Amino acid sequence: EVQLVQSGAEVKKAGQSLRISCKFSGLTSTNHWIAWVRQMPGKGLEYMGINFLRDSDARYSPTFQGQVTMTIDKAISTAYLQWSRLKASDTAIYYCAIHGDGAKYWGQGTLVTVSS
Amino acid sequence: DIQMTQSPSTLSASVGDRVTITCRASQSLGIWLAWYQQKPGKAPKLLIYKASTLESGVPSRFSGSGSGTEFTLTISSLQPDDFATYYCQEYDNFPWRFGQGTKVE
Repeated sequence: EVQLVQSGAEVKKAGQSLRISCKFSGLTSTNHWIAWVRQMPGKGLEYMGINFLRDSDARYSPTFQGQVTMTIDKAISTAYLQWSRLKASDTAIYYCAIHGDGAKYWGQGTLVTVSS
Repeated sequence: DIQMTQSPSTLSASVGDRVTITCRASQSLGIWLAWYQQKPGKAPKLLIYKASTLESGVPSRFSGSGSGTEFTLTISSLQPDDFATYYCQEYDNFPWRFGQGTKVE
């Protein structure tokens, strides 16, 4: 059974750095994209970027290019999303997901709250 | 980039109603479109992929149709558990895009 377990909620101040994680298990191959999706309070879903598990090829949506960094540590089956300088507008729930034909498996989400 | 236009944004319906949600793309997607259901405080759930393929375990009252630039999600007989927000999502070429969402209330 495929599972994605995300790290817990974070409360930060603007200008601080942050790394959240997504531990995946149960995958039988590395031919999967790990996606990060943002959902701002009361709003819809946005793809931030995708990371190919086999070779860590990373692609960013233009809105998020240069704003976040996605990485994967295959040795511990964990994907990361990190910010070097948070903004109040980064306040949102962040989901990781495994994307093949659609995103079938999702983490539970990580709430990030950034105060100004 | 591809733009996705989903309609309506809100839909009022009753149990037993037939519900239809439309998603239009600014350029052809072929069949690379998925539909999701999201309930408050929960991660989205995949319902349909490749425009019309029902995800395993999803009730057969859900169906998807369309190709190219126009797609439809239909719930044949709305059940109490179906009151939620629905999103279409294209995955033709990255950056992938979601529609704005349709809240079924």
